[in-house]
Amino acid sequence: DVKVTQSSRYLVKRTGEKVFLECVQDMDHENMFWYRQDPGLGLRLIYFSYDVKMKEKGDIPEGYSVSREKKERFSLILESASTNQTSMYLCASRPRRQQAYGYTFGSGTRLTVV
Amino acid sequence: QKEVEQDPGPLSVPEGAIVSLNCTYSNSAFQYFMWYRQYSRKGPELLMYTYSSGNKEDGRFTAQVDKSSKYISLFIRDSQPSDSATYLCATPYGNKLVFGAGTILRVKS
Repeated sequence: DVKVTQSSRYLVKRTGEKVFLECVQDMDHENMFWYRQDPGLGLRLIYFSYDVKMKEKGDIPEGYSVSREKKERFSLILESASTNQTSMYLCASRPRRQQAYGYTFGSGTRLTVV
Repeated sequence: QKEVEQDPGPLSVPEGAIVSLNCTYSNSAFQYFMWYRQYSRKGPELLMYTYSSGNKEDGRFTAQVDKSSKYISLFIRDSQPSDSATYLCATPYGNKLVFGAGTILRVKS
């Protein structure tokens, strides 16, 4: 069974902390994505990566950075957490050639910043 | 204006009802349309996808696309309590998926 695994289901962090959200996929997918999900707003793309060490900004990159040192791992970094970054964070991956429907999502990390 | 509009609900129906979930979109360049189902504390899972205008059926689920009016629908027949979830419409555009807000569906037994 193919998987996208997010290391934490729930996280509580303090304002100003540096936060790392980890995502690992076992499908050898080239593309990986970080979305955040908020009520009434749906999923919004933060960053995506189409190859190792490659990244592109999504729609809401402010306050976030990413790292992809290995093909299977994609990390989201909150340099200085703020309360408006309290959200559900979803990682996804897909093969390069299946742009339309090849996405697999992780179960999400619910981050609360206090 | 959001690129994909979807009423967030919640929508509450009795077991056995026919459910209609809808989205509208603004960009004529959108070609593929997907419906994802997301159970509580889980990530979205692909339910159905369509390319052309018309209907696509899979068991109790029917996806419908009307490109002339930029309207997409998901119908669920004989709804079950296990269908209670958030349903998200989505379309690929460039390197990303563009999502609607998601509709929370509750099927009461």
